[in-house]
Amino acid sequence: GESVGLHLPTLSVQEGDNSIINCAYSNSASDYFIWYKQESGKGPQFIIDIRSNMDKRQGQRVTVLLNKTVKHLSLQIAATQPGDSAVYFCAENRSGNQFYFGTGTSLTVIP
Amino acid sequence: EAQVTQNPRYLITVTGKKLTVTCSQNMNHEYMSWYRQDPGLGLRQIYYSMNVEVTDKGDVPEGYKVSRKEKRNFPLILESPSPNQTSLYFCASSLAGVLNSPLHFGNGTRLTVT
Repeated sequence: GESVGLHLPTLSVQEGDNSIINCAYSNSASDYFIWYKQESGKGPQFIIDIRSNMDKRQGQRVTVLLNKTVKHLSLQIAATQPGDSAVYFCAENRSGNQFYFGTGTSLTVIP
Repeated sequence: EAQVTQNPRYLITVTGKKLTVTCSQNMNHEYMSWYRQDPGLGLRQIYYSMNVEVTDKGDVPEGYKVSRKEKRNFPLILESPSPNQTSLYFCASSLAGVLNSPLHFGNGTRLTVT
């Protein structure tokens, strides 16, 4: 499954499938990006980050892709599990010492 | 355990009654920040601090105050709360500013102002 930022705030996938969550950022000068996961009743939890001098970064079951040409960021989750159900949002460091956050995509994993 | 601790988790108060939400981190982080999270608006920064005695306004600072007298603590003060400050608040910290390291968040404080 795939979602596009603010326009498709929910995404449902079957357990075991791969998930792709997208995020469009606004400032071409942004140089540091982070994906967060937020479960109900909890604070956002760091998943993975990427700097603007990279196109791709991999973690455990997650991959972040950065396309600076179109100012697009995506999070790929391999073999999605029920524990992956949460809200995911991206954050960009546009300037100085502030991060700006997207409103998020709600991922639901169907067993 | 490395963490950011906020208190209280839930708070209900009345308009005009001063309140303080505490935030403490045990990671020796220099940078700390407060955010509010509202449906459809995402996380918006209220105030941040680069180090002790250094604080700066974020995007929505009106009606809030902060102080950073010690490295580990960064309380959020609402001198005269109003209903539009009803929200979910998060404190966060990072090692050396957001240019180089991710934010670590507390579990939030849900504030209701009636």
